[in-house]
Amino acid sequence: QLQLQESGPGLVKPSETLSLTCTVSGGSISSPNYFWGWIRQPPGKGLEWIGSLYYSGSAYYSPSLKSRVTISVDTSKNQFSLRLSSVTATDTAVYYCARHGPARRGRSLTLFNYWGQGTLVTVSS
Amino acid sequence: DIQMTQSPSSPSASVGDRVTITCQASQDITNYLNWYQQKPGKAPKLLIYDASNLETGVPSRFSGNGSGTDFTFSISSLQPEDIATYFCQQYDNLPLTFGGGTKVEIK
Repeated sequence: QLQLQESGPGLVKPSETLSLTCTVSGGSISSPNYFWGWIRQPPGKGLEWIGSLYYSGSAYYSPSLKSRVTISVDTSKNQFSLRLSSVTATDTAVYYCARHGPARRGRSLTLFNYWGQGTLVTVSS
Repeated sequence: DIQMTQSPSSPSASVGDRVTITCQASQDITNYLNWYQQKPGKAPKLLIYDASNLETGVPSRFSGNGSGTDFTFSISSLQPEDIATYFCQQYDNLPLTFGGGTKVEIK
């Protein structure tokens, strides 16, 4: 059974860089046709897609965050990572990593059918 | 960006009732639309994909319908374990976007 687990600091200071890693087990991050993504959810609010990448390193980002986000992959460790720079209090959220379903109907980024449990990151001094 | 608007914001129903949630897209997304269930403190769970297809293992009391800009999600007979927030998500265009969520409560 595929499992994803987020890890990283739970507290980040304003203006610093948030860094999270998602470790994949029970399957290979290099499986063809699957993208891997990051989604966040501010406390009590809705879901926001941050970005997704393929094991080759090809990535797509939300335009609203693109200038501050980098998503990368380490296939040797079966992990992918999120870096979000210049954080402010509005970046406080539960951050989820997830796997997309297979590319279908002309779309590479489709549904999310496997999710990590999520990790709360608070931005505060 | 495609805006996804869900309503009602917080329907309240009794066990056994039918519950229907709507999701409206700001432009035509054909049927590139998924539905998720999120229970408190948990990650979302995929229930419906491509507007009307039930994910494997999801009870048949859940269903989805619609195309273009207007979509519905229904629970035919509300059960206590269905208390959760439900989100729609479009994947027709990037950025992927979600509806604001609809919290289903027991009356």
